[in-house]
Amino acid sequence: GQNIDQPTEMTATEGAIVQINCTYQTSGFNGLFWYQQHAGEAPTFLSYNVLDGLEEKGRFSSFLSRSKGYSYLLLKELQMKDSASYLCAVLDSNYQLIWGAGTKLIIKP
Amino acid sequence: GAVVSQHPSWVICKSGTSVKIECRSLDFQATTMFWYRQFPKQSLMLMATSNEGSKATYEQGVEKDKFLINHASLTLSTLTVTSAHPEDSSFYICSARASGREHNEQFFGPGTRLTVL
Repeated sequence: GQNIDQPTEMTATEGAIVQINCTYQTSGFNGLFWYQQHAGEAPTFLSYNVLDGLEEKGRFSSFLSRSKGYSYLLLKELQMKDSASYLCAVLDSNYQLIWGAGTKLIIKP
Repeated sequence: GAVVSQHPSWVICKSGTSVKIECRSLDFQATTMFWYRQFPKQSLMLMATSNEGSKATYEQGVEKDKFLINHASLTLSTLTVTSAHPEDSSFYICSARASGREHNEQFFGPGTRLTVL
């Protein structure tokens, strides 16, 4: 079956760095997405990786290793507004998004 | 660009009534639209995929006669929850994928919170 694993919850301090990991086992691979979702709101797009390596976009970076079925989202200079759930999703061979359960990130002052 | 709207944002209805939720792509043509349901503290659950002009493809366990989907045009899809019951109370989110778009990215609507009394 298809499976995406990410930690349920993480806590970090304002101004610090946090890395949210995601491992996946899917039927085919056409890219991996990271989305941010604040409580009561729809997800918003953060990043997309389809080739191995690191993609940097401001304070957020996303890494992919296809051979290991592994990705991480790195958030730098954490701000209180970064408190949210972070969803990892993989586009499978049918171009269907397979979603992880999300990681709730709690930022403390 | 790539804005998706949903209407209504929230709705409260009595058990047994039907509720229609609209999903519109405002500045692009969406060949494929997706309907998700999300219960509190859980991840998104795909309910169905709809392509313009054809019948929706429902995920296993989703009743197609209860959740009616109509993708009548390239900018509009509707989800009708028929004979709603309290267990149907949830956050319903649509997303749209544009034809020829880089990354096959899905653009999400703001969601509709349904409460069935």
